[in-house]
Amino acid sequence: GAVVSQHPSWVICKSGTSVKIECRSLDFQATTMFWYRQFPKQSLMLMATSNEGSKATYEQGVEKDKFLINHASLTLSTLTVTSAHPEDSSFYICSARVYTGNQPQHFGDGTRLSIL
Amino acid sequence: GENVEQHPSTLSVQEGDSAVIKCTYSDSASNYFPWYKQELGKRPQLIIDIRSNVGEKKDQRIAVTLNKTAKHFSLHITETQPEDSAVYFCAANPGLGNSGGSNYKLTFGKGTLLTVNP
Repeated sequence: GAVVSQHPSWVICKSGTSVKIECRSLDFQATTMFWYRQFPKQSLMLMATSNEGSKATYEQGVEKDKFLINHASLTLSTLTVTSAHPEDSSFYICSARVYTGNQPQHFGDGTRLSIL
Repeated sequence: GENVEQHPSTLSVQEGDSAVIKCTYSDSASNYFPWYKQELGKRPQLIIDIRSNVGEKKDQRIAVTLNKTAKHFSLHITETQPEDSAVYFCAANPGLGNSGGSNYKLTFGKGTLLTVNP
């Protein structure tokens, strides 16, 4: 149980392109999903908290107009990296919590984004 | 906000030995502490977690201890095997279960690269 699916797993695109990443909870409902960024050999840095049906909460220093988050249903959240540039290249990982009770976060497989 | 320190950053042990990873946290309101294992290029996987109402939890070869007074918690792996080799992250959540809490977000330590030598 508690499976989180993330797509795509790998994206290579030109500078200036917008890239959408999807995060789905497959066998549970998730009112809250989280988006992280991870640089090589570094820890997980929380970018934003995505709540179903409301605006995302961004961490300090994260540009909300750059990283658009939509959480339109209890099983899907999307992260769009707008007008991506080489410095946006990174490993992006989502996680989701089960809707009820004090449950841990379960992670997707991550998306490796490379901007040329 | 919460600050989580994790030590050591790298740990090398011989197969069959024990491994211990330690974390400290700063927010006394934190009451949930998960540990994740991440293999290279893969997702972090929850291996064990502990809540503040208990001091120790064990699952086969893995155990976690929590000292709320000192604000530190540790991961213990016994009888290590080569497949235990990975990066391990500790995390803390300041508001799990509390009304008006932090929306259950986690603050992660910087990670420990564990290498188990056969």
